Amino acid sequence: GDSVTQMEGPVTLSEEAFLTINCTYTATGYPSLFWYVQYPGEGLQLLLKATKADDKGSNKGFEATYRKETTSFHLEKGSVQVSDSAVYFCALITTDSWGKLQFGAGTQVVVTP
Amino acid sequence: DAEITQSPRHKITETGRQVTLACHQTWNHNNMFWYRQDLGHGLRLIHYSYGVQDTNKGEVSDGYSVSRSNTEDLPLTLESAASSQTSVYFCASSERTSGTDTQYFGPGTRLTVL
Repeated sequence: GDSVTQMEGPVTLSEEAFLTINCTYTATGYPSLFWYVQYPGEGLQLLLKATKADDKGSNKGFEATYRKETTSFHLEKGSVQVSDSAVYFCALITTDSWGKLQFGAGTQVVVTP
Repeated sequence: DAEITQSPRHKITETGRQVTLACHQTWNHNNMFWYRQDLGHGLRLIHYSYGVQDTNKGEVSDGYSVSRSNTEDLPLTLESAASSQTSVYFCASSERTSGTDTQYFGPGTRLTVL
């Protein structure tokens, strides 16, 4: 079945540091890939997405590129802020899953001043 | 603005009681989903619906039920609450076009079963 694996956290960084969160997937269909972010005490919000190979999703300074050859969708940000402290979820949907998201376990990111 | 709301935001109940969590969306989306979030497990799908009168079991459906009588609402019922059902519950909705559409999430309900 479909699955998503992302790096365990927490990831602790200083402000202005470079952030990478690794995400790899296995899927029987052809997936669309998502990063969702959950700020403390809130629900999940879509951060970015990519629907086909080599697409790059970007939002709020975050980027992720859909790499079919390595089945990966790593999230990156060049200079993090304290306000980026959150839990980040990688997820996928395939055309076979009919709208059902498969989530990774989530990675907590803590950014210190 | 369209939104998805959940109520209550926090609930404490006792083992064996029936509990219903509400989810209401004004996106006019066909698809609605219920997830639970537990440490180390990410989000796991409980039940989902593709439209009025349609309901389906997800990965962790035992002890839960849903009904869909209109487009806007998908209430989640715990028939006889158990301590293992202590969790944070999220409702989500999406449009039914390609099957790969973005899901929009509610703010969550924190449920504690004592």
